[in-house]
Order: sequence, then C-alpha cells, then structure tokens
Amino acid sequence: GNSVTQMEGPVTLSEEAFLTINCTYTATGYPSLFWYVQYPGEGLQLLLKATKADDKGSNKGFEATYRKETTSFHLEKGSVQVSDSAVYFCALTLISGGYNKLIFGAGTRLAVHP
Amino acid sequence: DGGITQSPKYLFRKEGQNVTLSCEQNLNHDAMYWYRQDPGQGLRLIYYSQIVNDFQKGDIAEGYSVSREKKESFPLTVTSAQKNPTAFYLCASSIGQPTGNTIYFGEGSWLTVV
Repeated sequence: GNSVTQMEGPVTLSEEAFLTINCTYTATGYPSLFWYVQYPGEGLQLLLKATKADDKGSNKGFEATYRKETTSFHLEKGSVQVSDSAVYFCALTLISGGYNKLIFGAGTRLAVHP
Repeated sequence: DGGITQSPKYLFRKEGQNVTLSCEQNLNHDAMYWYRQDPGQGLRLIYYSQIVNDFQKGDIAEGYSVSREKKESFPLTVTSAQKNPTAFYLCASSIGQPTGNTIYFGEGSWLTVV
C-alpha cells in the first residue's frame, strides 16, 4: 500500500547545528511530496514541496530533494534555530478513488536548545 | 486574507452529546477534508468532499458525519457513537486534482470529552 515513513523523534539539537530528518515513501504511480510543520497547539503549515523526481523544494533555509531512485524526501537545514522547534510531517499526495489523497508520516518532533 | 477558519478552538463535550465543528474557507477551493490527530501521532482522514453536495468516507469515518451544502463550508459533527472523540481536529482544503496542488490547513479545534 501507499505509506510514508519518517525517522522517530524527538530530535534534539543545539542552535546552529545541522538538521536531517529522514523520510521514505511507498506509492503507486507518481506522488507529489510535501513537508509540513506544526508548532505547538496549531494547525499544519506547508514548509516545502516537490512534484516530480529530482525537484528540490526549499523554504526558510529548509531543503528536500525528491529522489525517485531511493524513494526518499529527506529534510535538511544547515543551521537550526530555537524557533525551528516543532513537529515536522512528511507527506505525499496521489490520486486514489478519484480524489487527491494526502498520506502523512507519523511526524518527527524537533527540539532546538540555545 | 484568504484562509481556513475553524471554530471553536476549544470544545468540551459531555458523554452522549453530539457536537459540531465549523470549517469555513474563502480560498475558492473545491475539495475539503477533515482529519483527526491524536497526541504524538500523525493525521488520519475522517471525511472528504470534492464538490458541493458530495462527500466520501475516509479511513476513520465511524461516529462522524458531515455536510457540504456550500462550497466554502464543511462542518463536522462528532456524534455520541464516536467512542473516543477526544482529539485535535483539523480541517483542510485544496483546489483538488492534480496531486501537486497543496492542501492547506486550518488552525484546528481541540475536542475534549468530560
């Protein structure tokens, strides 16, 4: 079936450290891939997306590249800040049963300390 | 500003009561969705609607009902048949197909059974 697997958290880093959150997927067809971020007590915000193989999504210093050969979409940031502390969700969308279905990973909590 | 408005932010329900969560969007999106999020977990799809007067069950529809009488509105009723309704509920919308279209989320509603 279609699914998204993320590395388990929490991920704890010091400010200015390098961040990687791994995400792999299983899907039939050609999904689009997304990273969403959720701050405490809030809804989800789109962080970045990629719609085809080798596309790189980027936003606010975060990057992720759509790797079809490894079915991965790892999230990276060169220097994290305390304000990046949140839960990060990897997701894919594909057409299933005639509608645009969004499938989420379980989420990875990131805690950044000063 | 365009966006998705959910209300109320916090809601308490007594055992055996039905409650309705409101979701309104002014993005002119055709598709709307309801997700449930339990603490420390990912999102699960309850119901979705691609057009007015049409909606489909998601993965965990039992104990919930929806209506789509207007394009901009997609209210969710949590009925007394839902055995464990305490959760964070997120409404979302999108243009619809194709898969690359972003799904946007509201700020969420917390429902607690007392």
